[in-house]
Amino acid sequence: KQEVTQIPAALSVPEGENLVLNCSFTDSAIYNLQWFRQDPGKGLTSLLLIQSSQREQTSGRLNASLDKSSGRSTLYIAASQPGDSATYLCAVDPLPRDNYGQNFVFGPGTRLSVLP
Amino acid sequence: ETGVTQSPTHLIKTRGQQVTLRCSSQSGHNTVSWYQQALGQGPQFIFQYYREEENGRGNFPPRFSGLQFPNYSSELNVNALELDDSALYLCASSLGSGVYQETQYFGPGTRLLVL
Repeated sequence: KQEVTQIPAALSVPEGENLVLNCSFTDSAIYNLQWFRQDPGKGLTSLLLIQSSQREQTSGRLNASLDKSSGRSTLYIAASQPGDSATYLCAVDPLPRDNYGQNFVFGPGTRLSVLP
Repeated sequence: ETGVTQSPTHLIKTRGQQVTLRCSSQSGHNTVSWYQQALGQGPQFIFQYYREEENGRGNFPPRFSGLQFPNYSSELNVNALELDDSALYLCASSLGSGVYQETQYFGPGTRLLVL
C-alpha cells in the first residue's frame, strides 16, 4: 500500500528565504507526482506535476524534483513571500492503474508561514 | 472554460441524517473523484467515477455512495452520518481513459459538520 509522508509538518521562515519542502513515498511504482497548495478552508490548487519519466518541473519561483528510485520529491521555493503562506501537499498517482483501490495518495502536508 | 464547482459550500447535519453533496466537472472532463479531508490531514480518496460508472474505491464504508450523470456532474451521498464524517469534501475532475488520467482539477470543497 502506497504511503506518503511530508517533512517538516510546519515551517516558519522570514520573507526572502529560499526553502525546501520534502515528500517521501513508499512505492516507486507511480504514474506521476503532483504538488498542491491549499489555503485555509479552501480547495487545492495544482502547482507542479511531474510525470514518472521526468526529473523536475519548474514554474516561476517553484521547482519540484523527483527521484522515483529513492521515493523522494522536493519542492523548492525561491525568495519566499508572505503570499506563499499556505499548506503544501504532495500526492502520488500510483501504478498499476488497475488497482482500483487507490487513486491519488496524499501526504499530510507542510504548513508554511512566511513572515514579513 | 468553467472550473470545478461544488455545492453547498457549508452544511450542518446531525448524527443519523443523510446528506448529498454536488459537483460540476470542468468542461470536457469525463472523470470525477471524491476525497474526504479531515482537519489537519491530507485528502483521502473515497471513489472515482468514469463515464457514469464507479471506477475505483478507497477504504470507505458502503454508506458512502455516489452517482455520475450523463453531463459528468456528480453527487456524493452519505447515509447514517457519524460525527467522524465531519470534514471538507473535495471533488476533482479530469480527462481520463478509465485507466490513466491527466491532471485532476479540484473544486473549492464542501465543509460538512455533523453534530
